[in-house]
Amino acid sequence: AQKVTQAQTEISVVEKEDVTLDCVYETRDTTYYLFWYKQPPSGELVFLIRRNSFDEQNEISGRYSWNFQKSTSSFNFTITASQVVDSAVYFCALGGLLTGGGNKLTFGTGTQLKVEL
Amino acid sequence: IAGITQAPTSQILAAGRRMTLRCTQDMRHNAMYWYRQDLGLGLRLIHYSNTAGTTGKGEVPDGYSVSRANTDDFPLTLASAVPSQTSVYFCASSDSAGGPNTEAFFGQGTRLTVV
Repeated sequence: AQKVTQAQTEISVVEKEDVTLDCVYETRDTTYYLFWYKQPPSGELVFLIRRNSFDEQNEISGRYSWNFQKSTSSFNFTITASQVVDSAVYFCALGGLLTGGGNKLTFGTGTQLKVEL
Repeated sequence: IAGITQAPTSQILAAGRRMTLRCTQDMRHNAMYWYRQDLGLGLRLIHYSNTAGTTGKGEVPDGYSVSRANTDDFPLTLASAVPSQTSVYFCASSDSAGGPNTEAFFGQGTRLTVV
C-alpha cells in the first residue's frame, strides 16, 4: 500500500524567512512518481512539480526547491524568502498506476503554510 | 479556457436527497477521477475512469456512483446523501497515455454540505 506522511499540520513564518515542508512516502513500487500541489485560499489545486524515482537530482525553480532522497523516502519542499502569496495548503502526493491505466495519486494530509508580514 | 469545469460550486443538500455533481473536461484526457477533501485527511480517491465506458472504485466509494458515457463528462452521484458526505469534491483528469508520471489537472471543487 502507498502512503504519504506530511507531519507538519501548520507552519507559520514571517515574510522573507525560508521554510521547508516535509514529505515522507512509503511504496513497494520500484518505479514511482512524486508530486507537490499548492492549494491557495481560493481552493483550486495547482500542480508544482513531479519527480520520478530514478532522478534524485534536486530541482530549483525560482524561490522553490525540492530535495528528493530515496534513502530516507523523503521529498521535501523549500521556499526561500517566503512571501505572503505563498500562504496556502501544500500537498505532497505519490503517483501509482491504476488497473488498466491512469494515475492514482495518494495524497498526504497537507501542510498549511501561513506567511505573515 | 481549457480545463475542468465542475458544477455546482457549492450546494446545501438535505439528507436522503439524491445529488449529481457534474464534471466536464475539454483536454481530451482519457483518465478522470473524483476525490473528496476532508480536513486532516487530505484528498481521497472515490472513483476513477481510465477511459470512456469504464469506471473503477477508489479508496472511499461507498455511497457514490459514477458513469462515463463519453470522454468529456464524468458525473458523480450521491444516491441518498448522508451528513458524512459533507466535503469538498474535486474532479480531476490526466493524460493516461503519459503514464503515472503525468500530473492530474483539477477542477475548482464543489463544496457540498449535507444537513
